[in-house]
Amino acid sequence: GEDVEQSLFLSVREGDSSVINCTYTDSSSTYLYWYKQEPGAGLQLLTYIFSNMDMKQDQRLTVLLNKKDKHLSLRIADTQTGDSAIYFCAESIGVQAGTALIFGKGTTLSVSS
Amino acid sequence: EAGVTQFPSHSVIEKGQTVTLRCDPISGHDNLYWYRRVMGKEIKFLLHFVKESKQDESGMPNNRFLAERTGGTYSTLKVQPAELEDSGVYFCASTGPPYNEQFFGPGTRLTVL
Repeated sequence: GEDVEQSLFLSVREGDSSVINCTYTDSSSTYLYWYKQEPGAGLQLLTYIFSNMDMKQDQRLTVLLNKKDKHLSLRIADTQTGDSAIYFCAESIGVQAGTALIFGKGTTLSVSS
Repeated sequence: EAGVTQFPSHSVIEKGQTVTLRCDPISGHDNLYWYRRVMGKEIKFLLHFVKESKQDESGMPNNRFLAERTGGTYSTLKVQPAELEDSGVYFCASTGPPYNEQFFGPGTRLTVL
């Protein structure tokens, strides 16, 4: 079946690195995504990775994909208080462009100063 | 460029009443999606339009939910009659070529009392 699992909470201190982990089940997923939701706001796409890649880096964000284990992680370097939000992992259903996304329950990241 | 907009931002209704949610996608996006997040749970796919046609409505909970996208522009999602378990945040998203990113609206928070 289709399922995306994430840990629910992560608490870090400002300046530390944060690592949010996710496991997914659909091996045919074409893209895997990380979305961020700040309080009262919608979902903002942070980054995505194509399924034939192992890693993608974008400024403070590093995405690692282990396709064999169906494991995706998001590392935020030098975490700031403004990074406090809910982070959702998502996979696309199947290989066709424009297919719907399956989301995890979200990881609430709390950054203390 | 305007993003995805949703109206209303909040709606509080009583059980048995009818509510209609509206989504305006990004101009030119032919794919439109509805998702729902019940508190503490994952964001779940409801349905997917390509232009005015329903491509996939496998996520619609039951026949109390009716989605339309007349003319292939904005979409409405009507809940009639509303039940307590319909409470949650309803997100709309749209995408266009090359279809590797879904842009989300801010969501409509629906509370059924």
